Amino acid sequence: AQTVTQSQPEMSVQEAETVTLSCTYDTSESNYYLFWYKQPPSRQMILVIRQEAYKQQNATENRFSVNFQKAAKSFSLKISDSQLGDTAMYFCAFTAGPGYALNFGKGTSLLVTP
Amino acid sequence: DTAVSQTPKYLVTQMGNDKSIKCEQNLGHDTMYWYKQDSKKFLKIMFSYNNKELIINETVPNRFSPKSPDKAHLNLHINSLELGDSAVYFCASSQPRDRAGNTIYFGEGSWLTVV
Repeated sequence: AQTVTQSQPEMSVQEAETVTLSCTYDTSESNYYLFWYKQPPSRQMILVIRQEAYKQQNATENRFSVNFQKAAKSFSLKISDSQLGDTAMYFCAFTAGPGYALNFGKGTSLLVTP
Repeated sequence: DTAVSQTPKYLVTQMGNDKSIKCEQNLGHDTMYWYKQDSKKFLKIMFSYNNKELIINETVPNRFSPKSPDKAHLNLHINSLELGDSAVYFCASSQPRDRAGNTIYFGEGSWLTVV
C-alpha cells in the first residue's frame, strides 16, 4: 500500500518570503505520479503542480516548484514570494497511475501573514 | 464551463433519510471517483469507476452505493444516513494515460450535514 506523510500540520510565512512544505511517500512502484493540491477555505481542490517519477527534472509552475528526491521518496513544495492568497490547506498526493486512486497526505495548513 | 460539477453543493438532512449526490464531467474522461473529506480534512477514496465499471471499492458501508449510468456521470446514493456521514464529498475524474499524467480533476464538493 502507498502511504503519503506530511509531517507539518501547520506552517506560517510572511508575505513575500519563501516557504517549503514537506512530503514523503512510501511505494514499491517504479513509476508513479506525485501532486500538490491546494484547498482554500472554499474547499475547492486546486491542482498546484505535478511530477512524473520517471522525469528527473523538478517541476515548476510560476512561484511553485518541487524538490523531488526519488531515492529518498521525498517530494517537497517550495512557494516563493508568498502571497496572502496562498493561505490554504496543501495536500501532497500520490498515484501509481491508471486504475489506482489518488492517496493523500493529511495536509499542511499554510498561513501567509502580512 | 464547469469541468466536474456536483449537485447539491450543500445538503442538510435528518438521520435515517436517504439522499443522493449527482456528479457530471464534461472532460471526456473515462474514470470517475468519489472521495470523502472528514471533519479533520482527511481525504479518502471511496469508489472509482472506469467506463461505467467499478474498479475501486474501498471499505465503505454498504449504505453507500455509487451508480454510473454512463461514463460522464457518477452518482452517489446514501441510505439510512448517520451522523458520522457528515462530510464533504468530492467527485473527481481523470483520463488514464493522458498527457497530464493521470491528473485528477475535482468538483467543488458537496457539503453533507446529518442532524
